[in-house]
Amino acid sequence: AQKVTQAQTEISVVEKEDVTLDCVYETRDTTYYLFWYKQPPSGELVFLIRRNSFDEQNEISGRYSWNFQKSTSSFNFTITASQVVDSAVYFCALSFYSSASKIIFGSGTRLSIRP
Amino acid sequence: SAVISQKPSRDICQRGTSLTIQCQVDSQVTMMFWYRQQPGQSLTLIATANQGSEATYESGFVIDKFPISRPNLTFSTLTVSNMSPEDSSIYLCSVSILAGEGEQFFGPGTRLTVL
Repeated sequence: AQKVTQAQTEISVVEKEDVTLDCVYETRDTTYYLFWYKQPPSGELVFLIRRNSFDEQNEISGRYSWNFQKSTSSFNFTITASQVVDSAVYFCALSFYSSASKIIFGSGTRLSIRP
Repeated sequence: SAVISQKPSRDICQRGTSLTIQCQVDSQVTMMFWYRQQPGQSLTLIATANQGSEATYESGFVIDKFPISRPNLTFSTLTVSNMSPEDSSIYLCSVSILAGEGEQFFGPGTRLTVL
C-alpha cells in the first residue's frame, strides 16, 4: 500500500515553543520523494521541501528542520521557536520516481501557535 | 517555481448548474493537475490535464462530471458539472515544472459553495 499517515490531527503550542510534526509513510517503491507543504488560513498550498529517498541527510532551513529516517519510514518536521505566523495546516506527501505526477497527501496536521 | 493564478477565487452556485475554473501559469510547464479539497480534508487528485489530448482521471472521477481542457502549455480549465452540495470544496490547480522531479506548485485555489 502507498500511504502517508499524520497521526497528529491538531497541535496547539505557545509561541516560542519548539514543535515537531510527525509523518510516517508506506511504500514498496525503492525510489520516491517526500514533501512537506504548508496551507495557511488563506488556503494556498506552499511547497516547503522535497526529499529524495536516496538522500537521508537531515535538512535545516532557518527555524525549520526535517528528519528523514528510512529505517522507521518517517519524515518529521520540527519548527524551532514557533511564531504565530506558523499557524497553518501542514501536509506531508509522497510521490514516486516511476510516476512522479501522482502525489499522495497525508491527512494534515493543524498547528495553532498561541501568543 | 511558477506563478499560478486561478479564476474565480470563489463562487456560490445553485444546484444543477456548472462552473468552469481557469488556471493560468506564467511559464510553460510539462504537467498540470487538478485537485479537490473537501472541507477539513486533505487533497485528492482529480486528474492530470494533458496538453492536446484527453485528461487522465483518477479512480472515482469521470469526464462527464469534471471535463478538463488544456489547449496549451500554460492554461487549463476544469468544469464542475451538474453541481450538488457535495461538490462544495476548494479546487486547486497545480503544475510540475520538471517531469520526474516530484514537487508540484499550487495555485491559490477556487472556493466553491453549492447551495
